[in-house]
Amino acid sequence: DVKVTQSSRYLVKRTGEKVFLECVQDMDHENMFWYRQDPGLGLRLIYFSYDVKMKEKGDIPEGYSVSREKKERFSLILESASTNQTSMYLCASSRMGQGHSYEQYFGPGTRLTVT
Amino acid sequence: SQQGEEDPQALSIQEGENATMNCSYKTSINNLQWYRQNSGRGLVHLILIRSNEREKHSGRLRVTLDTSKKSSSLLITASRAADTASYFCASGRGNTPLVFGKGTRLSVIA
Repeated sequence: DVKVTQSSRYLVKRTGEKVFLECVQDMDHENMFWYRQDPGLGLRLIYFSYDVKMKEKGDIPEGYSVSREKKERFSLILESASTNQTSMYLCASSRMGQGHSYEQYFGPGTRLTVT
Repeated sequence: SQQGEEDPQALSIQEGENATMNCSYKTSINNLQWYRQNSGRGLVHLILIRSNEREKHSGRLRVTLDTSKKSSSLLITASRAADTASYFCASGRGNTPLVFGKGTRLSVIA
C-alpha cells in the first residue's frame, strides 16, 4: 500500500515562528503536492514538485516555500507564521503521467494553529 | 487554476437510500476523479473515469461523465452510516495538478 506520512497531526506555533511541515512517501512517486484546506474554500494548491530539487508555485504560494532534496521527501516551510496560516495542511503524491493525471495519495493532514 | 464545483454542498439521507452528488468543471480533461475525506483526515481516492468513458462502476459506486456538459455525477447506492464523509471531484488534464472542487458533505443517518 502507498503510504504518505506527515510529521505531525497537530501543531501549535506562535506568530513569527518559522514552521517546517514534513511529508514522506514510500512509493517512489515523482510528483508531490502541498495543499491547505479551509472550511468553504476546499483544497487549494500551495506548491508542487515534479522531481528532486524542482518546485512549481500553485494557486496560493505567498508566505510559503518548499524543499525537495530527496525524491521521497517534500517539505513545506512557513518563513514567518501568521494567524491567517492557521489551517489543515495536506500532502499528496502521485506517479508522473504521460499526458494524463494519475490518482493522488494523501497523508493524514497536519492541523496547524498559529497563535 | 480554477476549482470545479460540487452540488449539493451538503446532503443528508437515511441509511439504505441512494446518494447522488454532481460535479462541474471548467476545462477539457483527460480524466475525472472522485475522492472521499472522513472528518479531519486526508483524502482517499475512490474512482477514476477517463474522458472517453461515459460510466464506470466500483462496488456500490457509479460514476458518470458528460464531457459535452463538463459534468460528472457520483452515485452511492444503498448508503451506510459509514459512508458519512465529504466527497470531492478532481479534474485531471495532462501532467498538471488536479483541480479539486469544494466538496459535498454527506451525512447518512442510521
